[in-house]
Amino acid sequence: GNSVTQMEGPVTLSEEAFLTINCTYTATGYPSLFWYVQYPGEGLQLLLKATKADDKGSNKGFEATYRKETTSFHLEKGSVQVSDSAVYFCALSDLQGAQKLVFGQGTRLTINP
Amino acid sequence: EAGVVQSPRYKIIEKKQPVAFWCNPISGHNTLYWYLQNLGQGPELLIRYENEEAVDDSQLPKDRFSAERLKGVDSTLKIQPAELGDSAVYLCASSLGQGAAEAFFGQGTRLTVV
Repeated sequence: GNSVTQMEGPVTLSEEAFLTINCTYTATGYPSLFWYVQYPGEGLQLLLKATKADDKGSNKGFEATYRKETTSFHLEKGSVQVSDSAVYFCALSDLQGAQKLVFGQGTRLTINP
Repeated sequence: EAGVVQSPRYKIIEKKQPVAFWCNPISGHNTLYWYLQNLGQGPELLIRYENEEAVDDSQLPKDRFSAERLKGVDSTLKIQPAELGDSAVYLCASSLGQGAAEAFFGQGTRLTVV
């Protein structure tokens, strides 16, 4: 079945550092790929998405490129801020029929000033 | 525009007691999901509705869990009886329906079974 594997956390960085959170997936067909973020005390929010190979999703300085050849969707940001501290979830959508999000286990990110 | 609203935010119950969670999706969203999120894990789908029809409930433990979405709007998820292992966050999400890429999540209900 479909699955998503994220790099294990927690990840702790200093402000303005470069961020990479790795995500790889296993899926049949051509799923859509997502990054969701969960800030403390809040619900999951869509951060960015890509719906086909080589698409790049971007939002709030974060980027991720849909790499079909390596089945990856790594999240990157060039200069992180304290406000980026949150839990990040990589997910794929099984489009057979309709939406069914399959999530990775999440990566907790802490940014120190 | 209001987002997905869930209640209660927190619930503590003794094992073997029943519990119910309520979800009000975003207006006009035909698809509604209930996800289970265990501590330190990503959410896992319990059930998905298209309007009032449950189209995917393969992951719902039907011996103790039930859900309904009367009139295709609000939904309730029930556990009876609750077990210690049911302690988790229960998330509700909604989307516009088939082909729509984005699901919007509520804040969740954190259940603690003691």
